Amino acid sequence: GESVGLHLPTLSVQEGDNSIINCAYSNSASDYFIWYKQESGKGPQFIIDIRSNMDKRQGQRVTVLLNKTVKHLSLQIAATQPGDSAVYFCAEIRSNTGFQKLVFGTGTRLLVSP
Amino acid sequence: GAVVSQHPSRVICKSGTSVKIECRSLDFQATTMFWYRQFPKQSLMLMATSNEGSKATYEQGVEKDKFLINHASLTLSTLTVTSAHPEDSSFYICSASEGNQPQHFGDGTRLSIL
Repeated sequence: GESVGLHLPTLSVQEGDNSIINCAYSNSASDYFIWYKQESGKGPQFIIDIRSNMDKRQGQRVTVLLNKTVKHLSLQIAATQPGDSAVYFCAEIRSNTGFQKLVFGTGTRLLVSP
Repeated sequence: GAVVSQHPSRVICKSGTSVKIECRSLDFQATTMFWYRQFPKQSLMLMATSNEGSKATYEQGVEKDKFLINHASLTLSTLTVTSAHPEDSSFYICSASEGNQPQHFGDGTRLSIL
């Protein structure tokens, strides 16, 4: 089930289930999006990215969907494993700013039970 | 490849002292480095962006005299928290990018001010 904590929403799933993590972005001019995974006490780790001229991109066990009409991004993780437990952030970029200034979303904590 | 090393990983010090955090790109030239702050259960907030050899650009609300940033070489940037106080306690994360390539993140520094 999904619950909303004081600051960080949490998604709890069973091992082997598929997980869907959602993100609403703010800037309609953003044209590049990245999903990051952050484990406790570590920096963000790149998972997958997508440009605004695409609506879907697949990686290994992960799929990112982009809906520009409603400014929504989702990360799907297939066959979720305990090692997937972490906080997941989406980030948006306006790549015409000359360098990649990332704006991070609020994040979702994924808890995977064996 | 694309490894960013951040040091120290954890520091505890008394109120009023200054603390320096180092961020190094180990196998690429970091033309741009970014410093973020992350409070517990919250997202990463960009503090400043620095280009090698130039003054850092600070985000709104971040005191440049409080958080001194130096990016003197293509592999090293430092963040100095001057006269640190308990409210400066946070998780500080750096990232680095070469040109318009994606940012690579360090593993953060947990700063605790007593």
